[in-house]
Amino acid sequence: DSGVTQTPKHLITATGQRVTLRCSPRSGDLSVYWYQQSLDQGLQFLIQYYNGEERAKGNILERFSAQQFPDLHSELNLSSLELGDSALYFCASSVVDRGNSPLHFGNGTRLTVT
Amino acid sequence: AQKITQTQPGMFVQEKEAVTLDCTYDTSDPSYGLFWYKQPSSGEMIFLIYQGSYDQQNATEGRYSLNFQKARKSANLVISASQLGDSAMYFCAMSEDAGANSKLTFGKGITLSVRP
Repeated sequence: DSGVTQTPKHLITATGQRVTLRCSPRSGDLSVYWYQQSLDQGLQFLIQYYNGEERAKGNILERFSAQQFPDLHSELNLSSLELGDSALYFCASSVVDRGNSPLHFGNGTRLTVT
Repeated sequence: AQKITQTQPGMFVQEKEAVTLDCTYDTSDPSYGLFWYKQPSSGEMIFLIYQGSYDQQNATEGRYSLNFQKARKSANLVISASQLGDSAMYFCAMSEDAGANSKLTFGKGITLSVRP
């Protein structure tokens, strides 16, 4: 158990809809990352927050947004969903915002868009 | 440009034998970190081992060791005494500018199957 909690585990929704994925980082971790894993794109970095502030942005679509709250939990909002958004979405956390700090991943949220 | 390259097709190893999973990387930063993760069929991502670019010795964690060859830009994972539970997808990842940002870039992964 990595200590990172993601909810829900599975999500099935229709095209055009909006969903929110939630992540609670490990106790004491200030940095939260969101990744998308799909068969064709592999593991793609979406966005990173550190202590409530956006720190880095990756291949995140404009239809997607995220935030990190004062209690350090994070939410990833996906809107106007398309079939291609079906993927496994991971949240990860680390203690600090440094390159020698491993990321600890949650079990992911599997999103299916029909 | 692809920063992390994992080109091996599906790998097979006999139980109790050692196996090496290849990873090459590309970066111009002098300071970077290299990581290996395991993803079983259940889907979770499990951190295995870390190697810093300035580390003098190869990293080891139990049955896992990292064969770090800086000049060749390779960071191969060696699993000794393979177990059936080692069957999984293995990802190599890199963080650049290790002092500032720990965003990881992942390779495509390698599937390892351990035969009894």
